[in-house]
Amino acid sequence: QQQVKQSPQSLIVQKGGISIINCAYENTAFDYFPWYQQFPGKGPALLIAIRPDVSEKKEGRFTISFNKSAKQFSLHIMDSQPGDSATYFCAASKGIQGAQKLVFGQGTRLTINP
Amino acid sequence: KAGVTQTPRYLIKTRGQQVTLSCSPISGHRSVSWYQQTPGQGLQFLFEYFSETQRNKGNFPGRFSGRQFSNSRSEMNVSTLELGDSALYLCASSSGTGKFDNEQFFGPGTRLTVL
Repeated sequence: QQQVKQSPQSLIVQKGGISIINCAYENTAFDYFPWYQQFPGKGPALLIAIRPDVSEKKEGRFTISFNKSAKQFSLHIMDSQPGDSATYFCAASKGIQGAQKLVFGQGTRLTINP
Repeated sequence: KAGVTQTPRYLIKTRGQQVTLSCSPISGHRSVSWYQQTPGQGLQFLFEYFSETQRNKGNFPGRFSGRQFSNSRSEMNVSTLELGDSALYLCASSSGTGKFDNEQFFGPGTRLTVL
């Protein structure tokens, strides 16, 4: 049972454009929603994370938007750059004891064309 | 601070064999989690160890096991290997203090190929 659904599977954006990746979750007990970035041959690295008591969080060019009632959250990358080309994963976890048990979306392969 | 290290980086085994993978967390981190990454199933949680005790477990068969030592280093073992066990095995460490926003730092992974 896939508890976090991510879309699209792949995305091509022109340099300077906005990249948008969406995730939907089923388990209302989830209370931590991170986004990870993975380059080929590397492990995932945390980009930005949000908790459900906040509707938006921004760090540099990266913004998470969170809609608790719709059980959806999204990653926006502003002014997308070729160096942003990577695979992006959304994830979720619940509780304090379960904080390390991340449930991942299927991933989005993002390509930024120069 | 040194990052999470995993050894070996690549492994080739045959069906029926067993394998042990090793993970050294960031200094001071007490929580180590293991994930399996495959093209078909994506990233799936295997288990988490905190202070030498298994704290969380995913939905994998008993052939997958792990342990953590007093210095927080962790090993995972897969017995009776199957072709479907071919994957990138990722280790992640965190402080494990139980606070929210407890960032996990991933290692580069061990690429296991089962022939």
